[in-house]
Amino acid sequence: QSVLTQPPSVSGAPGQRVTISCTGSSSNLEAGSDVHWYQQIPGRAPKLLIYSNDNRASGVPARFSGSKSVSSASLAITGLQAEDEADYYCQSYDSGLNGLVVFGGGTKLTVL
Amino acid sequence: QVQLVESGGGVVQPGRSLRLSCEASGFNFNRYAMHWVRQAPGKGLEWVAVIWYDGSNKYYGDSVKGRFTISRDNSKNTVYLQMTSLRAEDTAQYYCARVGTSGGDLDHWGQGTPVTVSS
Repeated sequence: QSVLTQPPSVSGAPGQRVTISCTGSSSNLEAGSDVHWYQQIPGRAPKLLIYSNDNRASGVPARFSGSKSVSSASLAITGLQAEDEADYYCQSYDSGLNGLVVFGGGTKLTVL
Repeated sequence: QVQLVESGGGVVQPGRSLRLSCEASGFNFNRYAMHWVRQAPGKGLEWVAVIWYDGSNKYYGDSVKGRFTISRDNSKNTVYLQMTSLRAEDTAQYYCARVGTSGGDLDHWGQGTPVTVSS
């Protein structure tokens, strides 16, 4: 059971838009902690996509965007491409008993 | 460019110890906090530990607290993870990662080193 909750899977056709949600609690997102997003292609190391809720990391295409409300965050991918098929993780800091750094359980994106 | 290279992984029996290393290059290592993150086979990412840029503060995930120790040698641009009393559930790919400019994200990751705990 991950501290941050993500849907296990999402899918979309090439060219479509998909969103991945990340829900937190009073000790992390609701407390104002920033959310960061990572992409992991199977067999490879995670790669930073979005930092501090809505900032794209260096070299990340503008098709990727992030947003955050009080208790949840979202990663949006527009103009879906086959190469976007990967696992996506959200991450934040936690001030409670869950450990300093917490991850979501990950979402598998399938490009149909 | 920033490079992080982990080493030291392998197969170890339950109850034994192992030390992982992560050698950094391409940036001023002594200015950055460093993390260890692991991923069990077929599972998600799990945060393990962080050490401040100067080694003054260290924090651990609940599942490794009291068994793992993070340390660093800024003269060698290297961060370590000493793992003791290893359990089967510690089997994972172990990644080191650099803290990003926001202070909260992990902006560069190594390729990881595998640890298998099995008799």
